[in-house]
Amino acid sequence: DAGVIQSPRHEVTEMGQEVTLRCKPISGHDYLFWYRQTMMRGLELLIYFNNNVPIDDSGMPEDRFSAKMPNASFSTLKIQPSEPRDSAVYFCASSLGRLAGTTGELFFGEGSRLTVL
Amino acid sequence: AQSVTQLDSHVSVSEGTPVLLRCNYSSSYSPSLFWYVQHPNKGLQLLLKYTSAATLVKGINGFEAEFKKSETSFHLTKPSAHMSDAAEYFCVVGNTGFQKLVFGTGTRLLVSP
Repeated sequence: DAGVIQSPRHEVTEMGQEVTLRCKPISGHDYLFWYRQTMMRGLELLIYFNNNVPIDDSGMPEDRFSAKMPNASFSTLKIQPSEPRDSAVYFCASSLGRLAGTTGELFFGEGSRLTVL
Repeated sequence: AQSVTQLDSHVSVSEGTPVLLRCNYSSSYSPSLFWYVQHPNKGLQLLLKYTSAATLVKGINGFEAEFKKSETSFHLTKPSAHMSDAAEYFCVVGNTGFQKLVFGTGTRLLVSP
């Protein structure tokens, strides 16, 4: 398997623009997670899905952020409008089964580095 | 609530010397503990995990960690550092029934020749 695939790897945009980050989880995995990593706040869980259904979005910073998972092989994280403080590396991760019931292993993509000017 | 504290933000070692990365945890329940590694410009990768079996856990690339309940610690060690070990290491905690993992702030390991 190719692993978790994220695109774009790098995105530079101007404040106020819409940003869409994409993720393809590992085939057969039923959980998908979006994380944000910054120097100041470390790694933060934004939202996670189970079987394409959002389960917990309590980490989403504000209404400017939205995430969807229209099918088992694709998810998007959208920021509209973007702000400089959204600059971060956004990671998508997937897992097979509940973490507590399996290995506790998340498989991470290589991240999307977002810079908002 | 559970949390982890990584006691060092940076650790520098010479190639061939031992590595010690320290982690203390706080958990109301019997915890599951993990170490993840992140190489530059890469995603995180599971290094090893403790899930209430043996207290000494062996992981990939010669790393191991020991769960010490009395000290609420889960320190990561390796007998001999290699240049390729230079990366950021995250201590992570989850509880029984967990689905959300709590990540520490990370320790950057620097390995000099």
